[in-house]
Amino acid sequence: DTGVSQDPRHKITKRGQNVTFRCDPISEHNRLYWYRQTLGQGPEFLTYFQNEAQLEKSRLLSDRFSAERPKGSFSTLEIQRTEQGDSAMYLCASSLGQGSTEAFFGQGTRLTVV
Amino acid sequence: GESVGLHLPTLSVQEGDNSIINCAYSNSASDYFIWYKQESGKGPQFIIDIRSNMDKRQGQRVTVLLNKTVKHLSLQIAATQPGDSAVYFCAETGGGNKLTFGTGTQLKVEL
Repeated sequence: DTGVSQDPRHKITKRGQNVTFRCDPISEHNRLYWYRQTLGQGPEFLTYFQNEAQLEKSRLLSDRFSAERPKGSFSTLEIQRTEQGDSAMYLCASSLGQGSTEAFFGQGTRLTVV
Repeated sequence: GESVGLHLPTLSVQEGDNSIINCAYSNSASDYFIWYKQESGKGPQFIIDIRSNMDKRQGQRVTVLLNKTVKHLSLQIAATQPGDSAVYFCAETGGGNKLTFGTGTQLKVEL
């Protein structure tokens, strides 16, 4: 296993379009997290899954955002009707779960909304 | 809301010197405090963590100090190398082990 994988690495989209990102976590990790990072800032928590269950969503996650992890393995993050303010790096991380503080991050998907 | 913040946005050190990166936090209920390193174009990489009931923890070339009295966290890097150049974030864990990050300190290692 080579770590957390995210696809695509870069996405440029026009305002109003929908986009979907994929994250493949480390195979034995049952927790999966999504974060958003803007330039010069630390990552901001969006949501996380324990296996297939979505346990928490941040206030940052407006109704245009939805995340799924249907089989408890890979996850998708969809943004509908993108806005310029959605331009950011979207990071996925995974961890073994309760009691494990070490989260492994992917390289992120950089979204640019034009 | 609760926040984790850093004192200095940029730190420049000479190769071989020790580096100290500081962080202030406000959430006294955090279970763990963690340092991450982020190189350009990459995701954050775990460096070291410290449980809230400890005041010091050492790793390979790194030491984390926690002062709960003044809500202060620091990362010390011994014999700083060019490969240490990156942005360093402190973070704290809330429920579910989600991370709350600060804004980061850019460490520049000068040859």
